[in-house]
Amino acid sequence: AQSVTQLGSHVSVSEGALVLLRCNYSSSVPPYLFWYVQYPNQGLQLLLKYTSAATLVKGINGFEAEFKKSETSFHLTKPSAHMSDAAEYFCAVSGRDDKIIFGKGTRLHILP
Amino acid sequence: KAGVTQTPRYLIKTRGQQVTLSCSPISGHRSVSWYQQTPGQGLQFLFEYFSETQRNKGNFPGRFSGRQFSNSRSEMNVSTLELGDSALYLCASSVSGSGNTIYFGEGSWLTVV
Repeated sequence: AQSVTQLGSHVSVSEGALVLLRCNYSSSVPPYLFWYVQYPNQGLQLLLKYTSAATLVKGINGFEAEFKKSETSFHLTKPSAHMSDAAEYFCAVSGRDDKIIFGKGTRLHILP
Repeated sequence: KAGVTQTPRYLIKTRGQQVTLSCSPISGHRSVSWYQQTPGQGLQFLFEYFSETQRNKGNFPGRFSGRQFSNSRSEMNVSTLELGDSALYLCASSVSGSGNTIYFGEGSWLTVV
C-alpha cells in the first residue's frame, strides 16, 4: 500500500527566497510520484512527475523535485519564490494499480 | 485539446435533497476519478471508473454513487444531502494504466444549507 506525508500544512517564505516543500512516501513497489499545485478556486494542476527515468525532475514554473530512495523522499524546490507561487501544493504517489494517493497538502505563503 | 469539464461549477442545495454532478473527461481518457476536498479532511478519493465499471472505491457512505457512460463521461450523485457534504468535488481523468498522470477539472462547489 502507498501513503504520502507532507511535512507542514503551511509554509511561509520571502519573495526571492528558496522554496522547499517536503514530501515523504511509503510504497511497497517502485513508485510513481507527483506534485500538483492548486490555485484558489481552481482544480489541481500537474507540476511534475517522477517515473524513474531520472532522480531530478524538472517541472513547470521553475519547480523541481529530487527522488531519494534511501530517504523515501520527493521534496519540491524552487530557487527563488515569486508572489504568484502562493498556492496549495499536493504530493501524490501511485503504485502498480491505478490508485493515486494524495498528501494533505501544504499551503505556501509568499511574504513581500 | 479540451481539458476536463465539470458542471455545474457552483450549486446550493438543501439538506435532504440529492445532487448530480457531471464530468466530461479529456478526449481519449477512459478513466475518471472523483475526489472530495474540504478544509478539514483535505483531498479524499471517492471512486474511479474505467470503461463504465467502478474499479476503485474510497471510504464514503453509500449515499455517494457514480456511474460512467460509454463515451467515458461520468456523473456522481449524492443522496440525502447533509451539511457535511459541502465541499469542492473534483473530477480527474487519465488514459489509465499504472503511473499515468491524472488531469483535474476545476471542480464543482457544493454548498448544503
